[in-house]
Amino acid sequence: DAKTTQPNSMESNEEEPVHLPCNHSTISGTDYIHWYRQLPSQGPEYVIHGLTSNVNNRMASLAIAEDRKSSTLILHRATLRDAAVYYCILHNLFNQAGTALIFGKGTTLSVSS
Amino acid sequence: DAGVIQSPRHEVTEMGQEVTLRCKPISGHNSLFWYRQTMMRGLELLIYFNNNVPIDDSGMPEDRFSAKMPNASFSTLKIQPSEPRDSAVYFCASSLARRPGYTFGSGTRLTVV
Repeated sequence: DAKTTQPNSMESNEEEPVHLPCNHSTISGTDYIHWYRQLPSQGPEYVIHGLTSNVNNRMASLAIAEDRKSSTLILHRATLRDAAVYYCILHNLFNQAGTALIFGKGTTLSVSS
Repeated sequence: DAGVIQSPRHEVTEMGQEVTLRCKPISGHNSLFWYRQTMMRGLELLIYFNNNVPIDDSGMPEDRFSAKMPNASFSTLKIQPSEPRDSAVYFCASSLARRPGYTFGSGTRLTVV
C-alpha cells in the first residue's frame, strides 16, 4: 500500500469544524482513500472512504483533491467524543484475494470544551 | 449483530506459558485480520485470512506465533512460549473481501510478566 503523511497532532475547540489533512502523493489509480479513527481504549472504527469524488456520511465528509494526491477529513462540529487518533489509509479494493489495511501513526486530535 | 467478539478481554500470564487469543468475526464476513498494537510500534498487521485461508502471514513476528481459522466463525492466535515483549493489545477485525469498512473487536490486552 502507498504511504500517507499526516500531522502528528491537532487541536480543536468543541463545536468548531475540524479539517484533518492527509498527503498521499504516490497514490495509484486503484487506491481508495480510507479514514479510520481510534477512540481511547477501543479498536479502530471505520469513518469514511472515497476514490475520486467528495463523500459525505453521518460521521464526516471527505474532500479529495482533483489530482488525488491529498485529501481532507472534515468533522463539521467537533465534540469531546471526537477526540481520537485519526488514520488516513490507502487501500486497494480491486485485489481479488483482498488486501489488508496498513496503519501509520495517524493524527491525534484533541478537543477542548 | 454483536460485532467482532474477542476473548479474553484481559490476559496476564507468566513468561514461557502458552497464550491463546480467540476471535469470532461478524457472520457473513469472509476476511479476518489479526493486529497487534503497542506504544512503540503502533498498529501492526500480523496475519490475515480470506475464506479461512491464510493469505499473508509476513507480519507474524516469529515461530512462537501461530494463527488458525478452522471455520468461518472462529479464529485463534496462539503464542507459545510467551515473552514479556509480547505484551500488547491484540485486535481482530473482519470484513467482506474487497469491500470497505473493517469491523474491529474490542481487543485483548495481553501482559506477560
